[in-house]
Amino acid sequence: QQQVKQSPQSLIVQKGGISIINCAYENTAFDYFPWYQQFPGKGPALLIAIRPDVSEKKEGRFTISFNKSAKQFSLHIMDSQPGDSATYFCAASVKTSGSRLTFGEGTQLTVNP
Amino acid sequence: NAGVMQNPRHLVRRRGQEARLRCSPMKGHSHVYWYRQLPEEGLKFMVYLQKENIIDESGMPKERFSAEFPKEGPSILRIQQVVRGDSAAYFCASSPYTRDEQYFGPGTRLTVT
Repeated sequence: QQQVKQSPQSLIVQKGGISIINCAYENTAFDYFPWYQQFPGKGPALLIAIRPDVSEKKEGRFTISFNKSAKQFSLHIMDSQPGDSATYFCAASVKTSGSRLTFGEGTQLTVNP
Repeated sequence: NAGVMQNPRHLVRRRGQEARLRCSPMKGHSHVYWYRQLPEEGLKFMVYLQKENIIDESGMPKERFSAEFPKEGPSILRIQQVVRGDSAAYFCASSPYTRDEQYFGPGTRLTVT
């Protein structure tokens, strides 16, 4: 029940295209959903996050869409650039449990020039 | 404002030795989390600490692993009698009081030979 399932495992997109990564969860107590970006040899960097009281959040080229009834959320990267090539992780947490993050398995994104 | 600092960045230990990983949270952050990332896998929660207190250690292996966050100084993750299966990247994250956002350090890559 604590799992977060992420897909696809890998994604190849052309420069300028839209990258879409999906996550699904079971635990309805989750109340915070961040996305992290990780480059090889580096730590995860917080990209954008959403709470279940909104259905969409946009920051620059990055948008989170949230569907509470389906228990799904997704990351959209508009106008994808080669510099976006990285591994993306979705995560979820429950504030009352100390906010420990449960991560998805990760998506390796490659943006071709 | 310096980010989360971890040292050493790389650590090589022989089987049976002890590994000590250090984490200094961001200034003003009193919550520290440790995560482990095995090769080609996502991040798994290990332990959540506040100053002088272990809040949640449900992700920590029962034996050989311990963590502390003293009143003064960095948080320490200690692995006794390391085995090859302990080879992984260990990340520390910190967050401000009462907020969910966790900011990760660059990680310590432990190799057990």
